[in-house]
Amino acid sequence: EIVMTQSPATLSVSPGERATLFCRASETVHNNLVAWYQHRPGQAPRLLIYAASTRATGIPARFTGGGSGAEFTLTISSLQSEDSAVYYCQQYNKWPPLTFGGGTKVEIK
Amino acid sequence: EVQLVESGGGLVRPGGSLSLSCVASGFTFSNYPMGWVRQSSGKGLEWVSTIIGDGTATFYTDSAKGRFTISRDNSRNTLFLQMNSLRAEDTATYFCAKDEYHILSGFFDSWGKGTVVTVSS
Repeated sequence: EIVMTQSPATLSVSPGERATLFCRASETVHNNLVAWYQHRPGQAPRLLIYAASTRATGIPARFTGGGSGAEFTLTISSLQSEDSAVYYCQQYNKWPPLTFGGGTKVEIK
Repeated sequence: EVQLVESGGGLVRPGGSLSLSCVASGFTFSNYPMGWVRQSSGKGLEWVSTIIGDGTATFYTDSAKGRFTISRDNSRNTLFLQMNSLRAEDTATYFCAKDEYHILSGFFDSWGKGTVVTVSS
């Protein structure tokens, strides 16, 4: 099973600033088959990024995915109030099981 | 617009059973694999199960094998999760999710808002 570890657990950022979230896999994720999701409380999770760096339909350009191998990042440039949420990475290279990271909670200062 | 609406959650005693449903609309349901993902209170997302479009192949996390059964009725655009021998650790919000590609990819481009399952005596 590929274990996905996210850091930091919580990130507090001022509006307009940049937030960088990290996701480390326990082994190489081939073909960079990593997705990122945003989850606000009480709402449906939302796909942001797949294949490590491809934005999903309708996702604003301020969300950027990067990385390769076993190290991946999600960058939110110019943070807005509606970006307050928990963000999860997920690998879909080697499964079952599909595995998610533990999440990073982004708070707006 | 894709819509996924889960139902069937509730309070059940340990060892009991519960059947979840997810009604889909806004896309050709039979063309896409579907999955269930859960989230326990204060914890992260955990994949539970996936079924391919025609229902002939299913996949489960280890803790669900032998206890949960995923199925679908393509004539009714509905996904199911039959949960038996429920344990306290199955307590969670269960989300229905649509796979991005009609050939199985493993990530989900649309999700429902979830249904809450509580296993407690």
